[in-house]
Amino acid sequence: DTGVSQNPRHKITKRGQNVTFRCDPISEHNRLYWYRQTLGQGPEFLTYFQNEAQLEKSRLLSDRFSAERPKGSFSTLEIQRTEQGDSAMYLCASSSTGGKDTQYFGPGTRLTVL
Amino acid sequence: KQEVTQIPAALSVPEGENLVLNCSFTDSAIYNLQWFRQDPGKGLTSLLLIQSSQREQTSGRLNASLDKSSGRSTLYIAASQPGDSATYLCAVRYLMNTGFQKLVFGTGTRLLVSP
Repeated sequence: DTGVSQNPRHKITKRGQNVTFRCDPISEHNRLYWYRQTLGQGPEFLTYFQNEAQLEKSRLLSDRFSAERPKGSFSTLEIQRTEQGDSAMYLCASSSTGGKDTQYFGPGTRLTVL
Repeated sequence: KQEVTQIPAALSVPEGENLVLNCSFTDSAIYNLQWFRQDPGKGLTSLLLIQSSQREQTSGRLNASLDKSSGRSTLYIAASQPGDSATYLCAVRYLMNTGFQKLVFGTGTRLLVSP
């Protein structure tokens, strides 16, 4: 069990560019979550997958955001036409329906949009 | 609206003090409540999880209590150490009609323990 990993850890981009983040959950976990955390705030839920199905999406997830989990393992979160307001820490978590469903969080990807 | 509030926003104490962090939530129909620790620029580490039917949970120097009817939880840290310095987040889990478990976080309490 190597824990939840996220790549890259840091991303600096110019406004208008597209960015993609990757999350590798704990291997036996079938649930995967994306959160966004801005400075001084708690994480806010973005979206949730069970296996490869995206079952919940927050209203925070605008049309410029898309998430996938094609094989029910790793997930990607893409932001198109980035805006300065997208600057935040993007956190991924995974859990297993077989256990207590406790969410284990990755280290996050910090995005800075210039 | 499901909201979680944490008081105080920041706390500075000398090493060795016992301290209490507070969390309140507006919707008491919770599934469970979880306390996390977050170090600067890092992800979240789970500290304690209390089921809605429980009153408290203990792990080492940490004790978390839950009063669902009043919408409150406290995290008690005994004999604080400089290594306890971090942001502590309270998160309330709600079970939605779809079966989805939604985590709603507070804004956190930034703790600084001075040697």
